[in-house]
Amino acid sequence: QVQLQESGPGLVKPSQTLSLTCTVSGGSISSGGYYWSWIRQHPGKGLEWIGYIYYSGSTYYNPSLKSRVTISVDTSKNQFSLKLSSVTAADTAVYYCARKVVPAALGNWYFDLWGRGTLVTVSS
Amino acid sequence: DIQMTQSPSSLSASVGDRVTITCRASQSISSYLNWYQQKPGKAPKLLIYAASSLQSGVPSRFSGSGSGTDFTLTISSLQPEDFATYYCQQSYSTPPVTFGQGTRLEIK
Repeated sequence: QVQLQESGPGLVKPSQTLSLTCTVSGGSISSGGYYWSWIRQHPGKGLEWIGYIYYSGSTYYNPSLKSRVTISVDTSKNQFSLKLSSVTAADTAVYYCARKVVPAALGNWYFDLWGRGTLVTVSS
Repeated sequence: DIQMTQSPSSLSASVGDRVTITCRASQSISSYLNWYQQKPGKAPKLLIYAASSLQSGVPSRFSGSGSGTDFTLTISSLQPEDFATYYCQQSYSTPPVTFGQGTRLEIK
C-alpha cells in the first residue's frame, strides 16, 4: 500500500531555510487525482495547511505563508519537498506530508493518507 | 477564508457513551466537510468525508451528518480507543484549506 515518509533536519537555525522531503512508496507520485501536501502542527495546537502540489508542478499555498514557501516535486525520485525560508521560533512544529485525493465522481476531496510527521525545531 | 469552529473544545465521556461533536462553518460549504481523528504522537486519520461518508475501515459507530454550515460527528458507543482529538476540515473553498481547532475527547 502507498506510504509517505518525511525526512530532513530536526533542528534549523533562525533566519535559515527549513527543508523537508516526503518520499512516496508503494505507488507513483505521478498518478492522477492526487495532490501532495504539507501540513504542520505547532506543539499542542491544531492543524495548519501549508500547501500542495500536483505531479505536473502546479502549486497551491496558504496565503499566510506563501511569501516563504516553495513546494516542489521530483517524479523521478517519487518525492516532493518543502522549503520554508526565514524561519523563526514560530515555525517550530511537527510537519506532516499528506495525500489529497480528489475522487472523480465527487466534488468533495480529502486527505486520505498521512506520513508519521517530523518535528522541526527552530533554535540557535 | 472560511473559518471552522468546533464545539466543545474538550469533552469528558465514559466508555459506552454516545458523543456528539459539532463543527460550524463561517459560510455555507454544502457537504464539503471531512472529519479526522488524531491520537497523541500520531498523524491524523480520515474518518468521514463529504459530511457523512464513512472512510473504508472505520468502525460503523462513527457517523457524520449536516450540510450548509452545521455539521456533527457522532460516536454511538465510545470505545477505549476512541479517546483522541477530532478535527473537522472544509474542502469547499480553497486555498486556504482550513481546519477546526479540534475537540479533545477524554475519559471521564
